[in-house]
Amino acid sequence: DIQMTQSPSSLSASVGDRVTITCQASQDISNYLNWYQQKPGKAPKLLIYDASNLETGVPSRFSGSGSGTDFTFTISSLQPEDIATYYCQQYDNPLITFGQGTRLEIK
Amino acid sequence: EVQLVQSGAEVKKPGESLRISCKGSGYSFTSYWISWVRQMPGKGLEWMGRIDPSDSYTNYSPSFQGHVTISADKSISTAYLQWSSLKASDTAMYYCARRDPVSWAFDIWGQGTMVTVSS
Repeated sequence: DIQMTQSPSSLSASVGDRVTITCQASQDISNYLNWYQQKPGKAPKLLIYDASNLETGVPSRFSGSGSGTDFTFTISSLQPEDIATYYCQQYDNPLITFGQGTRLEIK
Repeated sequence: EVQLVQSGAEVKKPGESLRISCKGSGYSFTSYWISWVRQMPGKGLEWMGRIDPSDSYTNYSPSFQGHVTISADKSISTAYLQWSSLKASDTAMYYCARRDPVSWAFDIWGQGTMVTVSS
């Protein structure tokens, strides 16, 4: 099984900061990597698919990059409404695994 | 509107059986695989398995194989997750999610079903 190592597990940042989360796969997954946002008490929401494509309707301050085993998720300018837990997710057909999550808080 | 609507919260005793549901609407139900995702209290997301509603073909995570059964009834656009004998450790929120066939991402999620197993 492919394992995903996501870091950091938690992060505190100020409004306007640039925030970066990384995800590392245990083997090459090409660009088969998605990013989700989950706010407390809510279902996850897709933000980025295929490593770098912004889902329709998602603000452009969110972005993703990477391929192979190393991936990065970035919020260019943190907003108060971005407080949430973020997850990476890989698909190695047919199996799927999520990263452990990154809890983002406002400093 | 494209949506997945899940059945309501459940409180069960250990050893009891349970089936929860996920009804799709606003799209062609048989064109998109449905996955189930577990989230234990205060923990992360775990993929359990998926079903292709067009032919009911399933795949399971090794962690959940043999512990749950995923099924679907395409005539009523509904997928199911069931247990034959619940344990306290099955206490969790369960989400269904639709997989986009092009991006392979989960683009639509149900609202979640909370399952509590307690004696």
